Amino acid sequence: DARVTQTPRHKVTEMGQEVTMRCQPILGHNTVFWYRQTMMQGLELLAYFRNRAPLDDSGMPKDRFSAEMPDATLATLKIQPSEPRDSAVYFCASGLEENGGYTFGSGTRLTVV
Amino acid sequence: QKEVEQDPGPLSVPEGAIVSLNCTYSNSAFQYFMWYRQYSRKGPELLMYTYSSGNKEDGRFTAQVDKSSKYISLFIRDSQPSDSATYLCAMTTNAGKSTFGDGTTLTVKP
Repeated sequence: DARVTQTPRHKVTEMGQEVTMRCQPILGHNTVFWYRQTMMQGLELLAYFRNRAPLDDSGMPKDRFSAEMPDATLATLKIQPSEPRDSAVYFCASGLEENGGYTFGSGTRLTVV
Repeated sequence: QKEVEQDPGPLSVPEGAIVSLNCTYSNSAFQYFMWYRQYSRKGPELLMYTYSSGNKEDGRFTAQVDKSSKYISLFIRDSQPSDSATYLCAMTTNAGKSTFGDGTTLTVKP
């Protein structure tokens, strides 16, 4: 089965450190999403790309978060500097149709202490 | 008010019961409707996807959409303990932006 691969699975870091999360979307999928999930807020869309071009990153705190797709096989989400309130599970998802269902990765569980 | 409201649960049913999960929405721009299942410490998994009012069936699962009432449902027949998970509704505009409900946690007891 094709799958979305996210690394690392877990990350514990100190406040102020840079965090980079990586995602390998399913080959051939043209849309890639970054979501954040917390108990309080549920699933929140941070950013998404279509054909590697950023379409919407309005859900992302721009002063500390950045998302890129350097090539079709890699999407990255960076947080610099990280804060305790960034602790959450970050999911990457990819899809072929912009308005259809997506395949999610297993997530990166981030803890900022 | 949130754009998507999902019945909060949690829901606990005996094995074999029919389960009904529901979401309402306020944004008329939503055109595509999905249901995801999420097991603990896993990513959401797409269960059903539809874009029109009416019913869509897949095995024991039926997704129902009523655009005039802005209401969607997921029915699970003959529920099994393996159906125990959190179920998330999601809706997407033509621009491709999805909004998720907060999820309903279902437990099916043997």
